[in-house]
Amino acid sequence: GQQVMQIPQYQHVQEGEDFTTYCNSSTTLSNIQWYKQRPGGHPVFLIQLVKSGEVKKQKRLTFQFGEAKKNSSLHITATQTTDVGTYFCAGKNSNYQLIWGAGTKLIIKP
Amino acid sequence: EAQVTQNPRYLITVTGKKLTVTCSQNMNHEYMSWYRQDPGLGLRQIYYSMNVEVTDKGDVPEGYKVSRKEKRNFPLILESPSPNQTSLYFCASSSSGEGIQPQHFGDGTRLSIL
Repeated sequence: GQQVMQIPQYQHVQEGEDFTTYCNSSTTLSNIQWYKQRPGGHPVFLIQLVKSGEVKKQKRLTFQFGEAKKNSSLHITATQTTDVGTYFCAGKNSNYQLIWGAGTKLIIKP
Repeated sequence: EAQVTQNPRYLITVTGKKLTVTCSQNMNHEYMSWYRQDPGLGLRQIYYSMNVEVTDKGDVPEGYKVSRKEKRNFPLILESPSPNQTSLYFCASSSSGEGIQPQHFGDGTRLSIL
């Protein structure tokens, strides 16, 4: 079946270092959404990308959608403790289903 | 306040005892969905509903039932729960299943089936 692969599963960073998570789909997506889930919480919508090659920024977060609309990335510059959590991508297919990546857990080293 | 409400938040029960997890949204959303979340597997969709009386299977529908008799409610039914259904469950809604609409999640229901 259709899959969205997300890597890495975990990333440990020192506070102030950068963080990146990547999503790759086996098929073309109509759009991709990104969510953040804090420990013990529920996923919260961050952003959606629709256009081929689209890049959007939210303060220290940069989101990209690939030219072929099969891959996407989220980059956080200079991580802070408030960034801790699991980041999920979710791509929408032609059947109006959201196909979720397994998530990348961001861990800030003390 | 716009929200998705799930009940119960926590439940420990035994194999074979039917249970229902309720989900209600107050945003007049057309699209509702149920997910289960297991470590290392992310969110897997169980069932979704594009509108009243319209439901479809997601990726892992086996052992679950849903209904959508009213726009605001989308209960998840486990007719004969088994231990492999022990998981964290989330209900979500969005204004439309088509197009590009963000999903709003409930706080989750942690089910333990013994």
